[in-house]
Amino acid sequence: AQSVTQLDSHVSVSEGTPVLLRCNYSSSYSPSLFWYVQHPNKGLQLLLKYTSAATLVKGINGFEAEFKKSETSFHLTKPSAHMSDAAEYFCVVSDPQAGTALIFGKGTTLSVSS
Amino acid sequence: DTGVSQNPRHKITKRGQNVTFRCDPISEHNRLYWYRQTLGQGPEFLTYFQNEAQLEKSRLLSDRFSAERPKGSFSTLEIQRTEQGDSAMYLCASSAHGAGNTIYFGEGSWLTVV
Repeated sequence: AQSVTQLDSHVSVSEGTPVLLRCNYSSSYSPSLFWYVQHPNKGLQLLLKYTSAATLVKGINGFEAEFKKSETSFHLTKPSAHMSDAAEYFCVVSDPQAGTALIFGKGTTLSVSS
Repeated sequence: DTGVSQNPRHKITKRGQNVTFRCDPISEHNRLYWYRQTLGQGPEFLTYFQNEAQLEKSRLLSDRFSAERPKGSFSTLEIQRTEQGDSAMYLCASSAHGAGNTIYFGEGSWLTVV
């Protein structure tokens, strides 16, 4: 069965410092992996996705993530946080051979202070 | 704006009443999904359509819930005899056919059952 574990429920950083949001996944097959962001009272926006091409994936707004099969991880990083990055972030796994559903983690709340 | 559109955005209803939400997907997308998100949790898959066919249903979708997509375009999600536990945000999403295609989410419909 597929599952996603976001290792931190809340991460706080200062503006201009690096961001690291951690995600581990479990999947029986070669999964597709995504990071979505959700700002308050807004819908989910795709940041980036991994679908078995390059293991380092670049997304929007300066975010990137690296797929590490040996560690079953897909951590999200950004070199320098901006105040507008404050939001809820979801790590998501999709296993096309097991169905079409996206499986979401419980989310990590990112706070950015000035 | 040609994104996924949902309405109403907010609904307050008394316990025991029926409610219906509508989703208009991105026009060329033949796949449509419904998810439910409660406070502090990631979205949970409810059901999935390819064109007008409902191909997957989660065990979360009790018999009080019914979803339709009669012409393969817009979809409705009806909840009968609402309960307080149904209070959540109901998210609709759509994608084009094909594994790994990006799933685009609407801004959601908030349901509060009092």
